[in-house]
Amino acid sequence: EPEVTQTPSHQVTQMGQEVILRCVPISNHLYFYWYRQILGQKVEFLVSFYNNEISEKSEIFDDQFSVERPDGSNFTLKIRSTKLEDSAMYFCASSESRGQGTEAFFGQGTRLTVV
Amino acid sequence: GNSVTQMEGPVTLSEEAFLTINCTYTATGYPSLFWYVQYPGEGLQLLLKATKADDKGSNKGFEATYRKETTSFHLEKGSVQVSDSAVYFCALSQGAQKLVFGQGTRLTINP
Repeated sequence: EPEVTQTPSHQVTQMGQEVILRCVPISNHLYFYWYRQILGQKVEFLVSFYNNEISEKSEIFDDQFSVERPDGSNFTLKIRSTKLEDSAMYFCASSESRGQGTEAFFGQGTRLTVV
Repeated sequence: GNSVTQMEGPVTLSEEAFLTINCTYTATGYPSLFWYVQYPGEGLQLLLKATKADDKGSNKGFEATYRKETTSFHLEKGSVQVSDSAVYFCALSQGAQKLVFGQGTRLTINP
């Protein structure tokens, strides 16, 4: 069964360092997303991406964040200068379309710890 | 803006007990409603969904009915199993497919 894969499963980084979280969406999907979940809080939308550009982003997704689809298969989230409050579980998701009720398929998440 | 409120957890039940996890939402118009489940060490998986009022989503013995009059989408299962232990997330989407999640409910089933 096709699945979304994320690497690494756990990343520890020092405050101020850049991190890149990687995702391989399902191959025939066209819409890509990043969400995050700070420990004990809700899963929050960060950004959606379609046709090689951002289609929507939340207030959380400020200039420190960027996304890229560098090679037609990977979908990455970069945090330029990590802060302690960026520590969270980051989920990548993809979907085939954007119609009403379309299922988004999620990866298993990358736990980012900023120390 | 749109929001989802879920029953606070954690919830602990014995095997074969009846399960209800409450979920209410706030949205304009007619959102689609979802329940996602996260088993230990895995990603979020769609459990069931409903796209219009009075629709019932069902899967693996779980059910939820889209109630517009009460803006609710409560998850129920008649007889839970140990393997149902997981975190359950209620969510909605509207228009652009961005999901808005509730805070999640951790369910533990004891044998």
